[in-house]
Amino acid sequence: GAVVSQHPSRVICKSGTSVKIECRSLDFQATTMFWYRQFPKQSLMLMATSNEGSKATYEQGVEKDKFLINHASLTLSTLTVASAHPEDSSFYICSALLRTSGSTDTQYFGPGTRLTVL
Amino acid sequence: QQPVQSPQAVILREGEDAVINCSSSKALYSVHWYRQKHGEAPVFLMILLKGGEQKGHDKISASFNEKKQQSSLYLTASQLSYSGTYFCGTEWVDYKLSFGAGTTVTVRA
Repeated sequence: GAVVSQHPSRVICKSGTSVKIECRSLDFQATTMFWYRQFPKQSLMLMATSNEGSKATYEQGVEKDKFLINHASLTLSTLTVASAHPEDSSFYICSALLRTSGSTDTQYFGPGTRLTVL
Repeated sequence: QQPVQSPQAVILREGEDAVINCSSSKALYSVHWYRQKHGEAPVFLMILLKGGEQKGHDKISASFNEKKQQSSLYLTASQLSYSGTYFCGTEWVDYKLSFGAGTTVTVRA
């Protein structure tokens, strides 16, 4: 259980293109999902918190007009990188929060999306 | 603020033990441990909640000292499959996790 998928797994695009990444919780509902960014050999940096039915909250330094998040259902959150540039090239990973009564809430991660902007 | 992990890297032979430490300058509610293999998503290992709590999964265990604001992950009798980068995540607010820089573990036959 607790499977999270991401699509696409890899995308290469030209500078100026907008790219949409989907994050789905396959076997549980997630009112809260998180989007991270990871540069090579570095740690995961939290970009934003995606809440179903409400606006996402962004971490300091993350441009909300560039990284558009939509959490339209309890199993799907999307991240759109608007007008991507080479400096946006990175590994983007989502996680979904599994809440279990009587147990600890746990984040389960998707397989990640490698974005390369030419 | 990111927690601090040490060591940055460790190389082991199969069957050897290792300890990875994670410390924070802020009070900790919980510590989450993940392992990530190259090009893949982090895989959840365990969460520790209370001061002094210890947990284990197979031959990987961890402890959490709330007063000292630190956690340690113990790899016992390491296997080739233990290779990867281990991250500790500390929870700060609203389920958000701040991750350490990671410890790369290489287990050789």
